[in-house]
Amino acid sequence: LAKTTQPISMDSYEGQEVNITCSHNNIATNDYITWYQQFPSQGPRFIIQGYKTKVTNEVASLFIPADRKSSTLSLPRVSLSDTAVYYCLVNTGKLIFGQGTTLQVKP
Amino acid sequence: NAGVTQTPKFQVLKTGQSMTLQCAQDMNHEYMSWYRQDPGMGLRLIHYSVGAGITDQGEVPNGYNVSRSTTEDFPLRLLSAAPSQTSVYFCASSYSRAQETQYFGPGTRLLVL
Repeated sequence: LAKTTQPISMDSYEGQEVNITCSHNNIATNDYITWYQQFPSQGPRFIIQGYKTKVTNEVASLFIPADRKSSTLSLPRVSLSDTAVYYCLVNTGKLIFGQGTTLQVKP
Repeated sequence: NAGVTQTPKFQVLKTGQSMTLQCAQDMNHEYMSWYRQDPGMGLRLIHYSVGAGITDQGEVPNGYNVSRSTTEDFPLRLLSAAPSQTSVYFCASSYSRAQETQYFGPGTRLLVL
């Protein structure tokens, strides 16, 4: 199982772009990279998923270099409501969560 | 669709008691799983199922049993509750595989005294 490493916490201000990088050195050929967001007292919510290069949706962008050993979640122009824990996951057969990155957005 | 539902929302147990946490989904999803989340921690996978009649262990299966007799339901049983099982429990489902978008339930908060 590919292990992921991401920063424990990050601070940002409203309106800024936030980039959270995740390392997954042992990623396997068939693994996808998935990011989830979790607010306090709620279950995680899917944000974005990718395999290589760049994926963009209405919420975020995901950048994956050619070697796929890392990925970067990019949140454009964050607001206070983006304060949450963000999890990077890599897995083929089952979904294993790490500790995640706690993002604190300040006014 | 109601999505993923979990009952109860909150439960207090005494050490040694048994109980079943219910999870149901109405999206015809094949893949279902149970996680526990302790304060300040990420989610840890307890058990999962890739379809009716098929279950497998996750990271922390000890003290928990599951069964999957129907596609819709995936109950989690605590055989003899211990204080170490105090946690928030989340159930999740996806269409066919773990890699697909997982839909999480609202969680069950369990306190074992």
